[in-house]
Amino acid sequence: EVQLVESGGGLVKPGGSLRLSCAASGFTISNAWLTWVRQAPGKGLEWVGRIKRISDGGTTDYAAPVKGRFIISRDDAENTLYLQMNSLTNEDTGVYYCTESLAYWGQGSLVTVSS
Amino acid sequence: EFVLTQSPGTLSLSPGERATLSCRASQSVTSSSLAWYQQKPGQAPRLLIYGASSRATGIPDRFSGSGSGTDFTLTISRLEPEDFAVYYCQQYGSSPWTFGQGTKVEIK
Repeated sequence: EVQLVESGGGLVKPGGSLRLSCAASGFTISNAWLTWVRQAPGKGLEWVGRIKRISDGGTTDYAAPVKGRFIISRDDAENTLYLQMNSLTNEDTGVYYCTESLAYWGQGSLVTVSS
Repeated sequence: EFVLTQSPGTLSLSPGERATLSCRASQSVTSSSLAWYQQKPGQAPRLLIYGASSRATGIPDRFSGSGSGTDFTLTISRLEPEDFAVYYCQQYGSSPWTFGQGTKVEIK
């Protein structure tokens, strides 16, 4: 069974940093393009960014609001995806989901940016 | 950057009725790379349709997707009680991938 489990969320002050992890099981992430999606409280879904599989170059793309502040990385040996979030603002508050191939989603990790 | 506009914002229908949801793109979607998701409160989104018209694994055949270019439609032929939720379209053909703002299907 494919599972994605996010961790690392919590409360952080504006300007701070946080790193989310997404541990995969039931499949090997080395074959996958992986994506982060977020959802602010009471709002819609927002695509954060994506990392291609290493065989496709392992490159990343980001949405404009997070470009230059967020970094997506992968550790295929650990079967884990990461999201490093820097210079956080109140607008970054929300549930962060990792996803694979559109169909598989984690349960989400709540990030709250507040003083 | 792609902008996806979903309409209507809210659809009020009764169980057994037909639901038609629209998603319009600001430019042509590459290779019909358009997906539809269902989301219920407190849950992660669930993939319903990919490639504009292909049902994901385990999705009932009352859900169907159609369209190409800039205009796409999700149809629920007969609403079941568990279908009342928020629905999102997403294009994944060009980076950055983008979502529509969602359509809420509520019980009338």
